[in-house]
Amino acid sequence: NAGVTQTPKFRILKIGQSMTLQCAQDMNHNYMYWYRQDPGMGLKLIYYSVGAGITDKGEVPNGYNVSRSTTEDFPLRLELAAPSQTSVYFCAGSDRNTGELFFGEGSRLTVL
Amino acid sequence: RKEVEQDPGPFNVPEGATVAFNCTYSNSASQSFFWYRQDCRKEPKLLMSVYSSGNEDGRFTAQLNRASQYISLLIRDSKLSDSATYLCVVNPLQGAQKLVFGQGTRLTINP
Repeated sequence: NAGVTQTPKFRILKIGQSMTLQCAQDMNHNYMYWYRQDPGMGLKLIYYSVGAGITDKGEVPNGYNVSRSTTEDFPLRLELAAPSQTSVYFCAGSDRNTGELFFGEGSRLTVL
Repeated sequence: RKEVEQDPGPFNVPEGATVAFNCTYSNSASQSFFWYRQDCRKEPKLLMSVYSSGNEDGRFTAQLNRASQYISLLIRDSKLSDSATYLCVVNPLQGAQKLVFGQGTRLTINP
């Protein structure tokens, strides 16, 4: 039982490059989320999904896209990387009954 | 006003001390509340949920004050291993699960 798995753990991008952060969960969570955390700050919601085929914007969606073709996978796409997207990205799944969030270990992204 | 506000600290307290944090929220209709713990360069993990009647888990006590719109976390007999950032988390809408995080309170327990 791996829980929530994110890849890659670290990545350096040049301005304008694109990439996809992968997130997979084996906990059968319907709800999944992508957050970003800037240094010394709390987590801000980028996108979330309440089930396969359904996604919605969070607080800071600009510059990102997501898809949810299966219950298990919830990738986050950056199309044109900008220095403002330098952050730590956390994917999470939610237990529907308790509301508890289970996080991946995070992906540390630097855009230069 | 931020949806969820916390004193960022840092709080530096000696081992064995009692320490308390508060967290205020702006949406009076908020439904559920949590405290998460985040160690340095790690992912957040649930510490405890906060119930209307208050709840206790060992050395940790969480309370909710709906009238004043704040939740609190009390840590008794603090240990070195309690050093972490404590995140206040609020769900403003029932069932939506769009949790809002405070910026966190950094706690360091000194020997």
